[in-house]
Amino acid sequence: DADVTQTPRNRITKTGKRIMLECSQTKGHDRMYWYRQDPGLGLRLIYYSFDVKDINKGEISDGYSVSRQAQAKFSLSLESAIPNQTALYFCATSDQQDTGELFFGEGSRLTVL
Amino acid sequence: GQNIDQPTEMTATEGAIVQINCTYQTSGFNGLFWYQQHAGEAPTFLSYNVLDGLEEKGRFSSFLSRSKGYSYLLLKELQMKDSASYLCAVTDSNYQLIWGAGTKLIIKP
Repeated sequence: DADVTQTPRNRITKTGKRIMLECSQTKGHDRMYWYRQDPGLGLRLIYYSFDVKDINKGEISDGYSVSRQAQAKFSLSLESAIPNQTALYFCATSDQQDTGELFFGEGSRLTVL
Repeated sequence: GQNIDQPTEMTATEGAIVQINCTYQTSGFNGLFWYQQHAGEAPTFLSYNVLDGLEEKGRFSSFLSRSKGYSYLLLKELQMKDSASYLCAVTDSNYQLIWGAGTKLIIKP
């Protein structure tokens, strides 16, 4: 089983719908992240959390919200999806005691029509 | 602003050697990562450099020059499975990770 699990892996939805992407990890890491990846662009940070009570905006947080339900769970929500949120979304974790190496989930491909 | 530059695409031959360059301009420096990403899959860690010099790990090596804001990833004895994108990322003074757009490496028989 993967150490960082994302659900759903693929989702097609319509403009205006609310979408939640979920992430759970078994690595015991405190730090969790949500990134989006678009063709030709680097990974862009949406939100990150260093522990359950700590939530921080990344460079592209507009239109997104997150919830850290437990150390192992970090979910990303699109309150009202729009087509330019069509992308590949990755959840990642890291250990604060380490170099900062990220461990990624398998990705969630979201298409907004 | 903060910026990481790497070539968009490179082509190499199976069995050969290829060097993928990365230059960066960031607010401070606390380490540089290389990740490999196969199409449609998650990035996976390849290497980490925080001091100048060459780090060797099997067929892959990574070099860093902090004074020049420069790194390269060297892949030897190329195999078809090395066809992937290679992502350079730098940790800045605030320990934020800045990503390059990635270099797509195409391996030809």
